[in-house]
Amino acid sequence: QKEVEQDPGPLSVPEGAIVSLNCTYSNSAFQYFMWYRQYSRKGPELLMYTYSSGNKEDGRFTAQVDKSSKYISLFIRDSQPSDSATYLCAMRMTGANSKLTFGKGITLSVRP
Amino acid sequence: DSGVTQTPKHLITATGQRVTLRCSPRSGDLSVYWYQQSLDQGLQFLIQYYNGEERAKGNILERFSAQQFPDLHSELNLSSLELGDSALYFCASSVGTGDGNTIYFGEGSWLTVV
Repeated sequence: QKEVEQDPGPLSVPEGAIVSLNCTYSNSAFQYFMWYRQYSRKGPELLMYTYSSGNKEDGRFTAQVDKSSKYISLFIRDSQPSDSATYLCAMRMTGANSKLTFGKGITLSVRP
Repeated sequence: DSGVTQTPKHLITATGQRVTLRCSPRSGDLSVYWYQQSLDQGLQFLIQYYNGEERAKGNILERFSAQQFPDLHSELNLSSLELGDSALYFCASSVGTGDGNTIYFGEGSWLTVV
């Protein structure tokens, strides 16, 4: 079993839809949870950063972490064609080892 | 633009050859990471350096090596290349190594082994 599992997709939604992206993980030591967005052939860019359980909102994006279920989600409201990209969840433990463990990513396409 | 600079952007080389990928971290960042991204494996952590010293090692093959220089730039050396080494190689950097550090990625070096 991989440490981080992410629905492989791809996912296609109409413009304006609410998108829900999810990851599950097996390592209970993970404390920091991130979502990165990656456009085709570009580097991943940090979208959301959450510590431990709870919700975090930034504009149209909401990140949720449920540590009891080892489950994280990213919600995108009022999705736009410019949101079309690959979304990767990532997580790491506390301490000096800042290694990120990534999900494989899901490709989202928002249709105009 | 993340501020992390990688060269070359694209590279085509033959099996058995050796290549060097170069990375300049963001100004002020002491920590450098290397990741490999392939279609089947996703983003895999290779190695991390902090202020010139190796800090963590991931799934890095023995044919691969890296170093971080006194000016904080880093190089990833890939030798005896195989077809399966074809991938996008990312460098990332952060200020430190501890909790709360945000890791920023470069645009990647696309390696094709033929």
